[in-house]
Amino acid sequence: DADVTQTPRNRITKTGKRIMLECSQTKGHDRMYWYRQDPGLGLRLIYYSFDVKDINKGEISDGYSVSRQAQAKFSLSLESAIPNQTALYFCATSLSDSEAFFGQGTRLTVV
Amino acid sequence: ILNVEQSPQSLHVQEGDSTNFTCSFPSSNFYALHWYRWETAKSPEALFVMTLNGDEKKKGRISATLNTKEGYSYLYIKGSQPEDSATYLCASRSYNTDKLIFGTGTRLQVFP
Repeated sequence: DADVTQTPRNRITKTGKRIMLECSQTKGHDRMYWYRQDPGLGLRLIYYSFDVKDINKGEISDGYSVSRQAQAKFSLSLESAIPNQTALYFCATSLSDSEAFFGQGTRLTVV
Repeated sequence: ILNVEQSPQSLHVQEGDSTNFTCSFPSSNFYALHWYRWETAKSPEALFVMTLNGDEKKKGRISATLNTKEGYSYLYIKGSQPEDSATYLCASRSYNTDKLIFGTGTRLQVFP
């Protein structure tokens, strides 16, 4: 089993719909991140969390919200999906001084 | 430098060539510099995490150096092989925000 698991792996949704992407980890890391990847733009940080009570906005948080339900779970919500949120989304975890470990990615298409 | 920047954007080399890429990052409040290798249809995987000025790390044919005072890191691949084809990402972490910010990556293609 993967240490960082994202669900769903693929999703097609309609404009205006609410959608939640989930991430869970078994690594015991305190830090969790959500990134989106668009061609030519690398990984851009949406939100990050240092523990259950600490949520921080990243570079591109508009249109997204997150919830850290437990140390092991960090979910990303799109309250009203729009087509320019079509992207590959990655969840990642780390300790304060370690490398990041990534989930398998969620490919989201908003039509 | 306000953002993490990588160059070149892409690189095509022949098998056996040695190559290097550059990552520039904000030098103020620097905490750590990461390098990742990202193969198509997979997730990024860490190569190196470096924190000290002058750090040099090596893993097989791949090595990296770090200059925190001027805010740059080099990644070197000696004797490139087709299996080295991937996107190489660097990421910077600072003390004041503790965010992990990625550059846009260098896409390497090694032709046999």
